[in-house]
Amino acid sequence: EAGVAQSPRYKIIEKRQSVAFWCNPISGHATLYWYQQILGQGPKLLIQFQNNGVVDDSQLPKDRFSAERLKGVDSTLKIQPAKLEDSAVYLCASSLSPSFFGSYEQYFGPGTRLTVT
Amino acid sequence: GQQVMQIPQYQHVQEGEDFTTYCNSSTTLSNIQWYKQRPGGHPVFLIQLVKSGEVKKQKRLTFQFGEAKKNSSLHITATQTTDVGTYFCAGQGAQKLVFGQGTRLTINP
Repeated sequence: EAGVAQSPRYKIIEKRQSVAFWCNPISGHATLYWYQQILGQGPKLLIQFQNNGVVDDSQLPKDRFSAERLKGVDSTLKIQPAKLEDSAVYLCASSLSPSFFGSYEQYFGPGTRLTVT
Repeated sequence: GQQVMQIPQYQHVQEGEDFTTYCNSSTTLSNIQWYKQRPGGHPVFLIQLVKSGEVKKQKRLTFQFGEAKKNSSLHITATQTTDVGTYFCAGQGAQKLVFGQGTRLTINP
C-alpha cells in the first residue's frame, strides 16, 4: 500500500515570497490533515479536511496561509507571503473518517522542510 | 483550549535501562494515541487507548490510560538503541487531536 506522498521535500525561500506544498493521501482516506512542526515541538494542526470540506482550521493563519482539497483527494497548502517564523516542517497526514467514538490512526507523509531566509 | 503536556522533554539513558514518558491533558479525552518519530523522520503511529484504565503492551512497550482519561504513560523496559527517537502522545478531545511536545529519548550504547 502506497503511503502519503508529499512534495517538495525541501524548500528554501526568502521572506515575503510565496510557496506551495502538495500532498497525496492514502487511497480511500477521507480525512486529510496539514500540520506545522517547528524544531523541537510536536505537530500543530493547521487544517483538517473531511473529503473536500474543512472540519477545523482554527489554527491556520488565514491572512497568509491557505489550503484546498479539490475533489476530496490531493491537497495543497500555500503560504503567501512567508515570514521567518514559518520555517518548519510541514507534515501532511491522512486517516479513515473519524468514528463517533474517536479517531483513527493518522499516517504521516515524509514532510516538507521549509526554510525562510 | 485543549492542552496536552508531556514530561520529561528529554531523557538520556544507558542501553538496557528503562524509560518512561508521561502525558497530561487539560481536558478529559475520548482516546489517546502514541506516535514515535525517529530523527529526521515523520511520526509513526504506535497505539491507541480508548478505555479508562486501559493497559496495552507491545513487546517491551507498555502503554497506560488513566482512570480519569486525562493522563497516559509509555514505559519502555530495557531500552535498545533502536528505541531512539521522540515519543509523542496525542489526545483526542471534543474537536481534534492535539499533540504533546514530545519526549526525546537518546541512548548511550
